[in-house]
Amino acid sequence: EVQLVESGGTSVQPGRSLRLSCAASGFTFSEHAMHWVRQAPGKGLEWVSSVSSSSGDIDYADSVKGRFTISRDDSTNSVYLQMNSLRAEDTALYYCAKGLRGGSSSFDYWGQGTLVTVSS
Amino acid sequence: DVQMTQSPSSLSASVGDRVSITCRASQHITNYLAWYQQKPGKAPKLLIYGASTLQSGVPSRFSASGYGTDFTLTISNLQPEDVASYFCQKYNNAPRTFGQGTKVEIK
Repeated sequence: EVQLVESGGTSVQPGRSLRLSCAASGFTFSEHAMHWVRQAPGKGLEWVSSVSSSSGDIDYADSVKGRFTISRDDSTNSVYLQMNSLRAEDTALYYCAKGLRGGSSSFDYWGQGTLVTVSS
Repeated sequence: DVQMTQSPSSLSASVGDRVSITCRASQHITNYLAWYQQKPGKAPKLLIYGASTLQSGVPSRFSASGYGTDFTLTISNLQPEDVASYFCQKYNNAPRTFGQGTKVEIK
């Protein structure tokens, strides 16, 4: 059974940093792209970042480019999102999602999300 | 960047009705289009990928079509458990943009 468990979300002040983690199990992690998607309270889905299998391709939304860094560790089946210079508009539920394949593909499994609140 | 526009933003229909949601891409995306269902308080769930391929385990009352810029998700025989928000997404390349969502309710 595929499982994705996010952690690391908390309440932080603007300008601070946070690192989100996603622990994956139930599939061959190294063969799949991994993604982060966020959802602000009462709003729609916003794609944040993707890392392909083998980390060959990494992409970011313009809204986070230069502030967020995605990474993966195939030895521990984990994907991370380092979030720096946090802003109030980064407040959201952050989901980790598994790619159907290693590269460009839909997101076939999602975690339950971890909540990040940025407020002074 | 390619924009994804869904319509309607919400709809209300009766149990057993056939409902359709459209998604328009501002540029050609071939068939790199997915549909997701998100029930209140839950994570999104993949319904359709490749514009028309039903994900394993998804009921056959869900279907989808389209290619290029215009796409449609159809729910035939609407059921109470279909109350949810539905999102389209382009995934061929970055940014992997979602549509703004369509909220489906039962009349």
